[in-house]
Amino acid sequence: QVQLQESGPGLVKPSGTLSLTCGVSGGSISSSNWWSWVRQPPGKGLEWIGEIYLSGSTNYNPSLKSRVTISVDKSKNQFSLKVTSVTAADTAVYYCARACIGGSCYFDYWGQGTLVTVSS
Amino acid sequence: DIQMTQSPSTLSASVGDRVTITCRASQSISTWLAWYQQKPGKAPKLLIYKASSLESGVPSRFSGSGSGTEFTLTINSLQPDDFATYYCQQYNSYPWTFGQGTKVEIK
Repeated sequence: QVQLQESGPGLVKPSGTLSLTCGVSGGSISSSNWWSWVRQPPGKGLEWIGEIYLSGSTNYNPSLKSRVTISVDKSKNQFSLKVTSVTAADTAVYYCARACIGGSCYFDYWGQGTLVTVSS
Repeated sequence: DIQMTQSPSTLSASVGDRVTITCRASQSISTWLAWYQQKPGKAPKLLIYKASSLESGVPSRFSGSGSGTEFTLTINSLQPDDFATYYCQQYNSYPWTFGQGTKVEIK
């Protein structure tokens, strides 16, 4: 059973950088899956941020692409998210998830989510 | 981007009811559609993928149908555990996008 766990600061100052890590257990990050980040502002819907493959290939949502970097650390079985120049609009619960099972990119395993608040 | 529109936004129903939620895509996505259930404070849970395939462990009262631009999620005989918010998601083309959600409330 694959488990994902997000970690990182819960408070980030405006104009700063949001940094989160997703640890993967019960499975290898080097499996044939993409690993994604999805966010959900309080009381709102879900927004896909981007994804990474074990090779380091990435795909990003164009709405965030200029500010987002996703990276992978295979030795630690984890992947990470950085969002630069954050504003209050980036306040959200951030989820990591496993995607692209056999080429079909739905999300079958999710972390429990971590709330990141952008505030001074 | 492909826009996903769910209806209704809120649905009031009773235990035992049959419930249907609709999801429309702004362009054809074949059957590249998933449905998720989300409860307050929890991560979304995958229910259906490829429009009609039931995820392992999901009760058979959940079913999905549709192709192209119109899809439905049906819950037969609504149970107390089913009161939640439901989202559709397309994975036909980047960026992956979700519907705005449908909240199923107790009548």
